[in-house]
Amino acid sequence: GAVVSQHPSRVICKSGTSVKIECRSLDFQATTMFWYRQFPKQSLMLMATSNEGSKATYEQGVEKDKFLINHASLTLSTLTVTSAHPEDSSFYICSAADRGPVYEQYFGPGTRLTVT
Amino acid sequence: AQSVTQLDSQVPVFEEAPVELRCNYSSSVSVYLFWYVQYPNQGLQLLLKYLSGSTLVKGINGFEAEFNKSQTSFHLRKPSVHISDTAEYFCAVSEKGIGRQFYFGTGTSLTVIP
Repeated sequence: GAVVSQHPSRVICKSGTSVKIECRSLDFQATTMFWYRQFPKQSLMLMATSNEGSKATYEQGVEKDKFLINHASLTLSTLTVTSAHPEDSSFYICSAADRGPVYEQYFGPGTRLTVT
Repeated sequence: AQSVTQLDSQVPVFEEAPVELRCNYSSSVSVYLFWYVQYPNQGLQLLLKYLSGSTLVKGINGFEAEFNKSQTSFHLRKPSVHISDTAEYFCAVSEKGIGRQFYFGTGTSLTVIP
């Protein structure tokens, strides 16, 4: 149980275009989803926290107009990187937490974004 | 906010030798503690977690960790490593009753040498 999927696993886009990454909880309802960014050989950096039906809460330094997060249902959250630039190239990981005790997050397999 | 320190960025160890990966955190409040493993180009897989109770926690793949409240540590151990244990390991902390945010350490790259 507690499986989280991400789509796509890899995406290459041209500079200036937008790309959407989906995060789905497959067998549970995710009341809260988190989006992380990971640079090579570094730790995960929390970008934002989203609760179903509410606006996402962004961490300091993360541009909310550039990284659009939508958590429209209890099983789906999306991250849209708008007007992508090469410096946005990174590994993006989502995680989800269910209605149960607040202490556990289930992580997706990640999406490798390359902006050319 | 929490600060999570993984002192060893890289740990090389010979196959079948024991290993300890260190994790210290800063908070004085009650916490939940986690260890995750990440293989190249993959997401995080939970190895084990401490929520309450016994301070010695056993996880998957033969790993265990011990919670030491006085030293604010949660070191990960395995008595005999395998080649397949080569991966990146992350310690994470969540504060009880203060939301769901996880604070991650910087990671330890474990390399098992044949």
